Amino acid sequence: AAGVIQSPRHLIKEKRETATLKCYPIPRHDTVYWYQQGPGQDPQFLISFYEKMQSDKGSIPDRFSAQQFSDYHSELNMSSLELGDSALYFCASSLRTGGRAEAFFGQGTRLTVV
Amino acid sequence: AQTVTQSQPEMSVQEAETVTLSCTYDTSESDYYLFWYKQPPSRQMILVIRQEAYKQQNATENRFSVNFQKAAKSFSLKISDSQLGDAAMYFCAYRSAPSSWAGANSKLTFGKGITLSVRP
Repeated sequence: AAGVIQSPRHLIKEKRETATLKCYPIPRHDTVYWYQQGPGQDPQFLISFYEKMQSDKGSIPDRFSAQQFSDYHSELNMSSLELGDSALYFCASSLRTGGRAEAFFGQGTRLTVV
Repeated sequence: AQTVTQSQPEMSVQEAETVTLSCTYDTSESDYYLFWYKQPPSRQMILVIRQEAYKQQNATENRFSVNFQKAAKSFSLKISDSQLGDAAMYFCAYRSAPSSWAGANSKLTFGKGITLSVRP
């Protein structure tokens, strides 16, 4: 079965640079979530989209933005990167109606800011 | 806002033994879902088991089962016949029911996680 695809898997950027993370949800899933997970920490919710519209916002810095495109893939754009942005970034997708309420996670993008 | 608490940061179990991981949560909602996710060293988030709050019967998935106490807002995970591959970080997570998702409230809220080690 198709899973959530994230790219790239690993990314190394320098301070003050920009990074773009991509997420391809499971086909027919209508909701996408982005989470940030620091080392040894729990995933922190950043932002979500339902049917390509932003549906909820968490602790996402103003330097970050995200959008969901017509083909349902989503991108998380991160500018003016800081050392503290080094983390694992997860994308997850789910189906709002008729589903079993699970959110399925991609393998994550490991971002290292040097 | 909902909160999820996992008060045990680490636990250890002997291979083939049984272990129980604790989780409590706080919510004012009556309909919701609870999940346990496993995160092995690869850091992939893997769904272990789900429980629907309106169901009294505890969920089971092979060697994994839960003890769901709605009134006590408790949701523990029991792993039977522990295997070396069960060593991982385990997160308890809460999610509102889809009827509450309009505009918001569909996200998962995670506990801090517990690191489970399995001794051979």
